[in-house]
Amino acid sequence: DGGITQSPKYLFRKEGQNVTLSCEQNLNHDAMYWYRQDPGQGLRLIYYSQIVNDFQKGDIAEGYSVSREKKESFPLTVTSAQKNPTAFYLCASSEDRGFYGYTFGSGTRLTVV
Amino acid sequence: KQEVTQIPAALSVPEGENLVLNCSFTDSAIYNLQWFRQDPGKGLTSLLLIQSSQREQTSGRLNASLDKSSGRSTLYIAASQPGDSATYLCAVRDFGNEKLTFGTGTRLTIIP
Repeated sequence: DGGITQSPKYLFRKEGQNVTLSCEQNLNHDAMYWYRQDPGQGLRLIYYSQIVNDFQKGDIAEGYSVSREKKESFPLTVTSAQKNPTAFYLCASSEDRGFYGYTFGSGTRLTVV
Repeated sequence: KQEVTQIPAALSVPEGENLVLNCSFTDSAIYNLQWFRQDPGKGLTSLLLIQSSQREQTSGRLNASLDKSSGRSTLYIAASQPGDSATYLCAVRDFGNEKLTFGTGTRLTIIP
């Protein structure tokens, strides 16, 4: 079945540490997105990529970095510069710039310890 | 800047009742609107997608409507079941902008 796989499901980060969240899709979608979800707030866009080797900042990109070396993969690195990284992170993809809607993964919960 | 509001934040209804969830948005120049379901600790599951040129979409017991002129969408759930308990999110995609703008969701509880 086609879909989006996010790993790991749970991730713990120590202060000053960089961590990378994985997102892989087998839907052959061109565009991929990273969103952050916090309690009581709507999902907020971190980064998105419309094609390989190109990506754009979203609303809350500070303290995050991404790469898009392959069409099916869009990893997100949470750097030590992100002061409040504890959140639920969701990866999504779309075909034809969202005309057919967006597909989301199952999420990664990141906790700072 | 697009803003999406979902009221109420939480709703409890007895099993078997029909119910309506509301979503309002401030900028009517939307490309499409998508309703999602989210179970606790899980990702988002797409329920219905309405293009800007459409007025409604139906899937099983679910019906979503769109009124761009008033900036509103509703999700109608018929004959509610305990398995419908979840948080329901609406998201708007504007023209010229691939970003989805989400509401904060309505947490629905169906009482057996």
